[in-house]
Amino acid sequence: EVQLVESGGDLVKPGRSLRLSCTASGFTFGDYAMSWFRQAPGKGLEWVGFIRSKPYGGTREYAASVQGRFTISRDDSKSIAYLQMNSLKTEDTAVYFCSITQYYDSSGEVYFQHWGQGTLVTVSS
Amino acid sequence: QSVLTQPPSVSGAPGQKVTISCTGSSSNIGAAYEVHWYQQVPGTAPKLLIYANNNRPSGVPDRFSGSRSGTSASLAISGLQAEDEADYYCQSYDSSLIVVFGGGTKLTVL
Repeated sequence: EVQLVESGGDLVKPGRSLRLSCTASGFTFGDYAMSWFRQAPGKGLEWVGFIRSKPYGGTREYAASVQGRFTISRDDSKSIAYLQMNSLKTEDTAVYFCSITQYYDSSGEVYFQHWGQGTLVTVSS
Repeated sequence: QSVLTQPPSVSGAPGQKVTISCTGSSSNIGAAYEVHWYQQVPGTAPKLLIYANNNRPSGVPDRFSGSRSGTSASLAISGLQAEDEADYYCQSYDSSLIVVFGGGTKLTVL
Protein backbone atom coordinates (compact mmCIF):
# COMPACT_ATOMS: atom_id res chain seq x y z
CA GLU A 1 0.00 0.00 0.00
CA VAL A 2 1.33 3.42 -0.97
CA GLN A 3 1.88 5.67 2.04
CA LEU A 4 3.19 9.19 2.41
CA VAL A 5 3.64 10.64 5.86
CA GLU A 6 4.57 14.28 6.33
CA SER A 7 6.20 15.44 9.53
CA GLY A 8 8.04 18.41 10.97
CA GLY A 9 5.23 20.95 11.09
CA ASP A 10 5.43 23.39 13.97
CA LEU A 11 4.77 26.89 15.25
CA VAL A 12 7.66 29.15 14.28
CA LYS A 13 8.39 32.87 14.36
CA PRO A 14 8.69 34.95 11.19
CA GLY A 15 12.17 34.86 9.72
CA ARG A 16 12.97 31.43 11.14
CA SER A 17 13.55 28.16 9.29
CA LEU A 18 11.85 24.79 9.35
CA ARG A 19 12.41 21.48 7.57
CA LEU A 20 9.55 19.16 6.66
CA SER A 21 9.93 15.48 5.83
CA CYS A 22 7.83 13.22 3.64
CA THR A 23 8.46 9.55 4.40
CA ALA A 24 7.32 7.19 1.67
CA SER A 25 6.58 3.49 1.53
CA GLY A 26 4.81 0.99 -0.70
CA PHE A 27 6.43 2.00 -4.00
CA THR A 28 9.87 2.44 -5.56
CA PHE A 29 10.61 5.96 -4.31
CA GLY A 30 13.57 6.57 -6.60
CA ASP A 31 11.45 6.08 -9.71
CA TYR A 32 9.20 9.08 -9.05
CA ALA A 33 9.30 12.82 -8.87
CA MET A 34 8.01 14.21 -5.58
CA SER A 35 6.10 17.39 -4.98
CA TRP A 36 5.14 19.68 -2.14
CA PHE A 37 1.92 21.67 -1.86
CA ARG A 38 0.30 23.83 0.73
CA GLN A 39 -3.19 24.86 1.69
CA ALA A 40 -3.74 27.92 3.82
CA PRO A 41 -6.70 27.78 6.24
CA GLY A 42 -9.93 27.92 4.26
CA LYS A 43 -8.09 28.35 0.96
CA GLY A 44 -7.35 26.27 -2.12
CA LEU A 45 -4.37 24.17 -3.12
CA GLU A 46 -1.07 25.88 -3.95
CA TRP A 47 1.81 24.06 -5.59
CA VAL A 48 5.13 24.73 -3.88
CA GLY A 49 7.58 22.78 -6.00
CA PHE A 50 8.82 19.40 -7.13
CA ILE A 51 12.01 17.43 -7.53
CA ARG A 52 12.53 15.09 -10.46
CA SER A 53 13.78 11.55 -9.99
CA LYS A 54 17.50 10.87 -10.45
CA PRO A 55 17.04 9.39 -13.97
CA TYR A 56 15.70 12.81 -14.97
CA GLY A 57 18.50 14.69 -13.27
CA GLY A 58 16.99 15.19 -9.83
CA THR A 59 16.41 18.83 -10.74
CA ARG A 60 13.84 21.06 -9.10
CA GLU A 61 11.10 23.52 -9.99
CA TYR A 62 9.50 26.01 -7.63
CA ALA A 63 6.54 28.34 -7.46
CA ALA A 64 7.49 32.00 -7.69
CA SER A 65 6.10 32.62 -4.19
CA VAL A 66 8.76 30.40 -2.59
CA GLN A 67 11.64 30.57 -5.07
CA GLY A 68 14.86 31.42 -3.25
CA ARG A 69 13.43 30.66 0.21
CA PHE A 70 12.35 27.02 -0.05
CA THR A 71 14.47 24.05 -1.18
CA ILE A 72 13.29 20.55 -1.98
CA SER A 73 15.67 17.62 -1.67
CA ARG A 74 15.43 13.86 -1.58
CA ASP A 75 17.20 10.88 -0.02
CA ASP A 76 16.34 7.88 -2.15
CA SER A 77 18.18 5.52 0.23
CA LYS A 78 15.69 6.46 2.97
CA SER A 79 12.66 7.12 0.73
CA ILE A 80 12.29 10.62 2.14
CA ALA A 81 11.63 13.95 0.46
CA TYR A 82 12.41 17.16 2.31
CA LEU A 83 11.18 20.72 2.18
CA GLN A 84 13.59 23.21 3.71
CA MET A 85 11.80 26.48 4.40
CA ASN A 86 13.85 29.56 5.22
CA SER A 87 12.92 33.17 5.96
CA LEU A 88 9.40 32.11 6.84
CA LYS A 89 6.60 34.64 6.57
CA THR A 90 3.18 34.72 8.19
CA GLU A 91 1.66 34.03 4.78
CA ASP A 92 3.47 30.67 4.69
CA THR A 93 1.06 29.41 7.35
CA ALA A 94 -0.65 26.36 5.87
CA VAL A 95 -1.00 22.61 5.87
CA TYR A 96 1.82 21.23 3.75
CA PHE A 97 1.29 18.08 1.69
CA CYS A 98 3.68 15.93 -0.31
CA SER A 99 2.70 13.82 -3.29
CA ILE A 100 3.96 11.24 -5.73
CA THR A 101 4.33 13.03 -9.01
CA GLN A 102 3.91 11.65 -12.49
CA TYR A 103 6.35 13.60 -14.70
CA TYR A 104 6.38 13.67 -18.50
CA ASP A 105 9.87 14.52 -19.66
CA SER A 106 8.71 15.16 -23.23
CA SER A 107 6.53 18.12 -22.21
CA GLY A 108 7.42 18.87 -18.61
CA GLU A 109 3.83 18.22 -17.56
CA VAL A 110 3.08 16.73 -14.16
CA TYR A 111 0.17 15.49 -12.17
CA PHE A 112 -0.13 14.19 -8.65
CA GLN A 113 -1.04 10.59 -7.96
CA HIS A 114 -1.03 10.09 -4.21
CA TRP A 115 -0.96 12.58 -1.37
CA GLY A 116 -0.02 12.43 2.27
CA GLN A 117 -2.28 13.72 5.03
CA GLY A 118 -0.29 16.89 5.55
CA THR A 119 1.52 18.66 8.37
CA LEU A 120 0.60 22.07 9.79
CA VAL A 121 3.05 24.94 9.71
CA THR A 122 2.11 28.07 11.63
CA VAL A 123 4.23 31.18 11.28
CA SER A 124 3.42 33.69 13.95
CA SER A 125 5.20 35.96 16.41
CA GLN B 1 -6.59 34.87 -7.89
CA SER B 2 -6.10 31.43 -9.42
CA VAL B 3 -4.78 31.02 -12.95
CA LEU B 4 -7.51 28.49 -13.75
CA THR B 5 -11.05 29.70 -13.09
CA GLN B 6 -13.66 27.46 -11.49
CA PRO B 7 -17.12 28.32 -10.14
CA PRO B 8 -16.96 28.66 -6.34
CA SER B 9 -19.86 26.29 -5.82
CA VAL B 10 -22.26 23.92 -7.53
CA SER B 11 -25.06 21.82 -6.15
CA GLY B 12 -27.35 19.02 -7.16
CA ALA B 13 -29.81 16.53 -5.78
CA PRO B 14 -28.94 12.85 -5.34
CA GLY B 15 -29.09 11.05 -8.67
CA GLN B 16 -28.65 14.22 -10.73
CA LYS B 17 -25.70 15.24 -12.89
CA VAL B 18 -23.51 18.25 -12.26
CA THR B 19 -20.71 19.78 -14.26
CA ILE B 20 -17.77 21.81 -13.01
CA SER B 21 -15.97 24.05 -15.46
CA CYS B 22 -12.30 25.03 -15.49
CA THR B 23 -11.25 27.91 -17.72
CA GLY B 24 -7.65 28.68 -18.57
CA SER B 25 -5.73 30.47 -21.28
CA SER B 26 -3.41 29.98 -24.21
CA SER B 27 -0.45 29.32 -21.92
CA ASN B 28 -2.04 26.32 -20.21
CA ILE B 29 -5.22 24.48 -21.25
CA GLY B 30 -5.36 26.32 -24.57
CA ALA B 31 -1.89 25.07 -25.40
CA ALA B 32 -3.28 21.52 -25.28
CA TYR B 33 -1.69 20.69 -21.95
CA GLU B 34 -3.54 18.02 -20.07
CA VAL B 35 -6.04 18.76 -17.34
CA HIS B 36 -6.29 16.78 -14.12
CA TRP B 37 -8.94 16.82 -11.41
CA TYR B 38 -8.71 16.24 -7.68
CA GLN B 39 -11.33 15.65 -5.01
CA GLN B 40 -10.80 16.84 -1.46
CA VAL B 41 -13.16 16.11 1.37
CA PRO B 42 -12.57 18.94 3.89
CA GLY B 43 -10.00 17.98 6.49
CA THR B 44 -8.52 15.22 4.37
CA ALA B 45 -5.86 14.89 1.68
CA PRO B 46 -6.68 15.55 -1.98
CA LYS B 47 -7.27 12.53 -4.17
CA LEU B 48 -6.58 12.19 -7.90
CA LEU B 49 -9.94 11.84 -9.64
CA ILE B 50 -9.21 12.31 -13.36
CA TYR B 51 -5.84 12.48 -15.10
CA ALA B 52 -4.88 13.44 -18.63
CA ASN B 53 -8.26 15.04 -19.39
CA ASN B 54 -10.50 11.99 -19.23
CA ASN B 55 -8.78 9.04 -17.54
CA ARG B 56 -9.86 7.58 -14.21
CA PRO B 57 -7.38 6.00 -11.79
CA SER B 58 -8.23 2.57 -10.55
CA GLY B 59 -11.04 2.71 -8.01
CA VAL B 60 -12.67 5.91 -9.24
CA PRO B 61 -16.28 5.23 -10.29
CA ASP B 62 -17.26 5.79 -13.90
CA ARG B 63 -19.80 8.35 -12.68
CA PHE B 64 -16.87 10.77 -12.90
CA SER B 65 -15.75 11.92 -16.34
CA GLY B 66 -13.61 14.69 -17.76
CA SER B 67 -13.30 16.56 -21.02
CA ARG B 68 -11.24 19.36 -22.51
CA SER B 69 -11.96 21.75 -25.36
CA GLY B 70 -10.11 24.88 -26.35
CA THR B 71 -9.10 26.82 -23.27
CA SER B 72 -11.55 25.01 -20.97
CA ALA B 73 -12.14 21.68 -19.32
CA SER B 74 -15.05 20.14 -17.47
CA LEU B 75 -15.64 17.55 -14.82
CA ALA B 76 -18.99 15.79 -14.92
CA ILE B 77 -20.43 13.82 -12.04
CA SER B 78 -23.52 11.78 -12.80
CA GLY B 79 -25.75 9.87 -10.40
CA LEU B 80 -24.80 12.21 -7.55
CA GLN B 81 -24.31 10.58 -4.17
CA ALA B 82 -23.99 12.12 -0.73
CA GLU B 83 -20.37 10.95 -0.55
CA ASP B 84 -19.52 13.14 -3.55
CA GLU B 85 -19.86 16.25 -1.40
CA ALA B 86 -16.36 17.71 -1.46
CA ASP B 87 -14.13 20.36 -3.00
CA TYR B 88 -12.95 19.76 -6.56
CA TYR B 89 -9.82 21.26 -8.13
CA CYS B 90 -8.59 21.30 -11.71
CA GLN B 91 -4.86 21.45 -12.50
CA SER B 92 -2.77 21.85 -15.61
CA TYR B 93 0.70 22.76 -16.81
CA ASP B 94 1.48 26.36 -17.68
CA SER B 95 4.37 27.36 -19.94
CA SER B 96 5.39 30.14 -17.51
CA LEU B 97 4.17 29.02 -14.09
CA ILE B 98 4.68 25.25 -14.55
CA VAL B 99 1.86 24.00 -12.27
CA VAL B 100 -1.45 25.84 -12.00
CA PHE B 101 -4.61 25.03 -10.09
CA GLY B 102 -8.13 26.26 -10.16
CA GLY B 103 -9.46 27.93 -7.04
CA GLY B 104 -11.66 24.96 -6.24
CA THR B 105 -15.39 24.26 -6.45
CA LYS B 106 -17.47 23.21 -3.49
CA LEU B 107 -20.03 20.58 -4.43
CA THR B 108 -23.10 20.40 -2.23
CA VAL B 109 -25.41 17.41 -2.52
CA LEU B 110 -28.85 18.71 -1.61
